This record gives sequence, C-alpha cells and structure tokens, in this order.
Amino acid sequence: GENVEQHPSTLSVQEGDSAVIKCTYSDSASNYFPWYKQELGKGPQLIIDIRSNVGEKKDQRIAVTLNKTAKHFSLHITETQPEDSAVYFCAASDGGSQGNLIFGKGTKLSVKP
Amino acid sequence: ETGVTQSPTHLIKTRGQQVTLRCSSQSGHNTVSWYQQALGQGPQFIFQYYREEENGRGNFPPRFSGLQFPNYSSELNVNALELDDSALYLCASSPNPGSRTGELFFGEGSRLTVL
Repeated sequence: GENVEQHPSTLSVQEGDSAVIKCTYSDSASNYFPWYKQELGKGPQLIIDIRSNVGEKKDQRIAVTLNKTAKHFSLHITETQPEDSAVYFCAASDGGSQGNLIFGKGTKLSVKP
Repeated sequence: ETGVTQSPTHLIKTRGQQVTLRCSSQSGHNTVSWYQQALGQGPQFIFQYYREEENGRGNFPPRFSGLQFPNYSSELNVNALELDDSALYLCASSPNPGSRTGELFFGEGSRLTVL
C-alpha cells in the first residue's frame, strides 16, 4: 500500500522568510496530493492540492510542486506570518479503489515575529 | 452552508467499554470518512461510507464499526476499548463518491481518552 514520508518534523523560520516542506510517496498509482493545515484543537483544513496531471500550483503565498518521476511533492510558503504557525500534513491518495488519503506524520511550523 | 460537525468533543472511557461518536456531514456531501489521529501523528483512515454502505476500510479491527444514515450523517462505534484507542477521531465529508478521490472537509474531531 501507499506510504508517505514527510520532512522536516519541525521547522522554525523568521517572519517574512520562506518555508519548504517535502514529502515522498511510494505508490505510482496515487493521483491526488493535498496539503492540510491543523491548528491546535482543530481539525485539518485543506490549504492547497494538486493532481498528477499538473506539475505546479499556486495560491497567493502558497505553492505546491509535484515530481511524479521522483515521487515527491513539496509545499512552499512565502512571506511567512505568525498566523502560519501550525502543523502541516501532506497526503497522497490510495492508489486502490478506496480513494482514501494516506497522511504524512506532519511538520510543526513555527514562525517567529 | 454548515460545515462538518462532530459530537461529543471530548469523552473519557475505561478499558472494555464501548463508545459511539457522531458526525453530521457538510451540506450536499454524500460521502463520510472516519480517521484516527494519535497524538503527534497524521490521521489514519478507518473507513468510508457512501449511500449508507461501507465503501472502503483501512487496517482497523472489526470492533471498529460504523453506520451512515439517509441524511448522510454517520456514527463510529468502537467496542471493547483498549488504551491504544485513545486518540482524536476525525470525520470528513466529501461531495464525491467513494471510488474517486476528492477534497475532504474535516470536522474538529472527538477526543477520546481510554483509562
């Protein structure tokens, strides 16, 4: 089955700097790669996603890139703000018929003012 | 448009007991998935319901069971609770049938503690 590895587990940046989180996946049949932000005491919230027929997608300060050959995808946050501090999860779709998501273990991002 | 709502938000049980968690899906969504999130970990897929039937299951034992009702709301039942069942249980709804992967909208979760 699918396996998703996420790095780093913690990331601390200064306000205004960029943050990059990387994930790798194992199942070449996976075709959907969302990123979720989870704040303390809340459920995960989708921030951006990408499908396997696209190499890059951008939404304001957030961008995601996908390299299908290497089976890795990355989240890029530019001009970070203190409110970006949270745990970020990458996920990949299960290549089988279930259509469920396999999540990474998360990256705790801290943005220092 | 109301989001995904879950109840209860917190509960404490003892080993061997049974628990029922409830979820109301987002308006217009017919598919409900349940995930277990242990402390410091990513969510793990338990199962998915579509049209009141289980439409896929992760690596969880049969003592984890569920239901979906005609209004698309859902329940997660866990029998014979074990200490390792302590976790945040997340419900997520989506507008797509279970055979296609689509965006998931998560609720705030139910925090279960087993003593």
